[in-house]
Parts: sequence; structure tokens; C-alpha cells
Amino acid sequence: KQEVTQIPAALSVPEGENLVLNCSFTDSAIYNLQWFRQDPGKGLTSLLLIQSSQREQTSGRLNASLDKSSGRSTLYIAASQPGDSATYLCAALTSGTYKYIFGTGTRLKVLA
Amino acid sequence: EAQVTQNPRYLITVTGKKLTVTCSQNMNHEYMSWYRQDPGLGLRQIYYSMNVEVTDKGDVPEGYKVSRKEKRNFPLILESPSPNQTSLYFCASSGGNSPLHFGNGTRLTVT
Repeated sequence: KQEVTQIPAALSVPEGENLVLNCSFTDSAIYNLQWFRQDPGKGLTSLLLIQSSQREQTSGRLNASLDKSSGRSTLYIAASQPGDSATYLCAALTSGTYKYIFGTGTRLKVLA
Repeated sequence: EAQVTQNPRYLITVTGKKLTVTCSQNMNHEYMSWYRQDPGLGLRQIYYSMNVEVTDKGDVPEGYKVSRKEKRNFPLILESPSPNQTSLYFCASSGGNSPLHFGNGTRLTVT
């Protein structure tokens, strides 16, 4: 059974710092992996989607990588800003199923 | 504007009183799903649907029902709600290789 883990659960950094959020999954047979942002009391907004055949995706200051062999994905945020403060979640779609398994998220706070 | 719309946003009810949370998407997506989000447990999938009249259980389906009579709508039904179903519920949809699009959520309290 697929399990998705995100460490750390919370992170506080000063503005301008580059940072990496981690996502681990136990079953490497995934169809895709997605990163989301969730603001308090709001829904999830998709940030990046990496198909199983891809190694990374980039959008602006965000870069997500995928290493299926090691069961890991990372989300890199460059030059962090206070507006980046939110909870970041990753979700894996295991091949042959239509079930998305979510990590419990990393709560990020960027200090001005 | 492409969106997933859930209603209501907030709902307080009593144990045993049947309720329905509606979900509608305007992107012609085949795939729709329901999740509940609880502190410390993250998001867990309740039910999903690959297309009209095709639904299947997620990881926590007990106490819930769904239907998919039209492509755009995917209501979540609680026939006899109980306090342990108090949670934040999200509907989501996707099509082809597109990302999951989420609704704004429904906060349900069952007393």
C-alpha cells in the first residue's frame, strides 16, 4: 500500500532563502506526482505535476524533481517571500489505480 | 473561468439527518473525487469516479455514498451522519494528464 511522507512537518525561514521541501513515497510504480499549496481555510492549488517519465518540472521560482528509484520528490523554492507562507502537500498517483495518496504536508512560514 | 464548485461551504447538522454536499465542474473532466481532511491525518480519498455511472471506493468510503449521473456533477451523500464524520471535505476533478483541480471545501460539523 502506497504511503507518502513529508518531512519536516513545519519550517520557518527568513525571507530570501532558497529552500527544499521533501516528499517520500513507498511504491515507486507511480503514474504521476503532484505538488500543491494550501492556504489556511482554502482549497488546494496545484503547483507542479511531474509525470512518471519526467525528472523535473519548473514554474517560476519553483522546481520539482522526481526520483522514482529512490522514492523521492523535492520541491525547491528559490528566493522565498512572505507570500510563500502556506502548507505544501505532495500527492502520488499509483500506477494501475485511480487513488491519489497525499502526504500530511509541510507548513512553511517565511519571515519578513 | 475553470472551476470546481462545492456547496455549501459550511454545514452544521445533527446525527442521523441525511445530507448532500454538491460538487460541479465546468472543465468537462472525466475524473472526479472526494476527500476529507483531518488534522494529523492529511487528505484521504473517500470515493472517485472515472466517468458517468462509474464510481469506486477510495480509502475511507464507510458512511458515504456518491453518484455520477452527469459528467459535471458528483454529489457526496451522508445517509446517516455521525460525529466522526465532522471534517473538511474537498471535491476535485481532472482530465487526461491535467493536475487535480480542487473546490474550496465544505466544513461539516455533526453534533
